[in-house]
Amino acid sequence: DAKTTQPPSMDCAEGRAANLPCNHSTISGNEYVYWYRQIHSQGPQYIIHGLKNNETNEMASLIITEDRKSSTLILPHATLRDTAVYYCIVRVVLTSYDKVIFGPGTSLSVIP
Amino acid sequence: NAGVMQNPRHLVRRRGQEARLRCSPMKGHSHVYWYRQLPEEGLKFMVYLQKENIIDESGMPKERFSAEFPKEGPSILRIQQVVRGDSAAYFCASSPGVNGQETQYFGPGTRLLVL
Repeated sequence: DAKTTQPPSMDCAEGRAANLPCNHSTISGNEYVYWYRQIHSQGPQYIIHGLKNNETNEMASLIITEDRKSSTLILPHATLRDTAVYYCIVRVVLTSYDKVIFGPGTSLSVIP
Repeated sequence: NAGVMQNPRHLVRRRGQEARLRCSPMKGHSHVYWYRQLPEEGLKFMVYLQKENIIDESGMPKERFSAEFPKEGPSILRIQQVVRGDSAAYFCASSPGVNGQETQYFGPGTRLLVL
């Protein structure tokens, strides 16, 4: 079972910031928070990941609370092409492997 | 640097035929994962392979499904005697296989339709 909880759907106006929340209250100390998205009919696309510090890359920012029980993915200026299902996943990376367990995710609709 | 390649992108089979799905990982990646996405559902893990070894096949049906990742060439997911319930999108992902660099990158998927 997925170890995260996300709202099933969200809307965001084009050009505004999209803030996607994720709860992971049972996260362990060595588990990372990963975000992927899946645009309709395409393969999941890696967005960003972090352990406890906030992270930023060219696609998004990831804000992790101090207690690490929740996080927020921020798309600073949402465009119509950001309409997708966004998956928040917790993973232990520093092991030989692990399978990514996808929950239902958040379906983000960017509205013109 | 090319991403994960999958072919064919679309595959149509009649019930009872065999389906072969191929996945070429990203350059330098030695770990391959297969996932299945049924219509209107989320992605489910099927199998994890390293070169010439199956590491975890706990998500793969016990019958009719098999996977391999030979020393040379792509990873193959094989479905024998397909049934309509096998219709789905099959995604392959790869990772470097080096501790601390285990981000999985996904291919575009193969859409299998069983008539």
